[in-house]
Amino acid sequence: NAGVMQNPRHLVRRRGQEARLRCSPMKGHSHVYWYRQLPEEGLKFMVYLQKENIIDESGMPKERFSAEFPKEGPSILRIQQVVRGDSAAYFCASSPGQSSYNEQFFGPGTRLTVL
Amino acid sequence: GENVEQHPSTLSVQEGDSAVIKCTYSDSASNYFPWYKQELGKRPQLIIDIRSNVGEKKDQRIAVTLNKTAKHFSLHITETQPEDSAVYFCAAINDYKLSFGAGTTVTVRA
Repeated sequence: NAGVMQNPRHLVRRRGQEARLRCSPMKGHSHVYWYRQLPEEGLKFMVYLQKENIIDESGMPKERFSAEFPKEGPSILRIQQVVRGDSAAYFCASSPGQSSYNEQFFGPGTRLTVL
Repeated sequence: GENVEQHPSTLSVQEGDSAVIKCTYSDSASNYFPWYKQELGKRPQLIIDIRSNVGEKKDQRIAVTLNKTAKHFSLHITETQPEDSAVYFCAAINDYKLSFGAGTTVTVRA
């Protein structure tokens, strides 16, 4: 059973470009969470999705950031018009159900560098 | 929302000694407390967790304690080894949202 997959692992963008980060949850998991980790900091919750639904996006900046988890295919975190402050590691996690007492399994992360 | 504080931010121990990391949380509704270990450039990996109806849990050299009244929980690593060197994060869950502490960088000196 493959774990949570993320791609790309490293992404370099220039200011103003768009970044698309992909996350494929573990098989059988229908709940996806995105977290951002700034250098030498803990992970911060961004958004929680189930298939075709955004459940909670309270941790996501209102502008330039969007997330989706379509019926088919991976979850996508999209950052438009990137700025240097978006440079961070973005981790997604998945769980089989709503994660109270359910372990969230983390992917390897995408390290975004904005030049 | 939940606020998790973690101390110390760095911890250096001699191989074979114990390491203790402490966390506090603010939301009394939080009911699940996982601990993650993250090596440089890698994903966070769950090493132990504790639920709100349990006061202590042990897994080999790792133990976690929870004091719900005081809203404290702690990680104890005994007989530390060089491979224990990493960043450790505590977290608390209320419903589904993981709130992480800022992390403790543990260095085990040979």
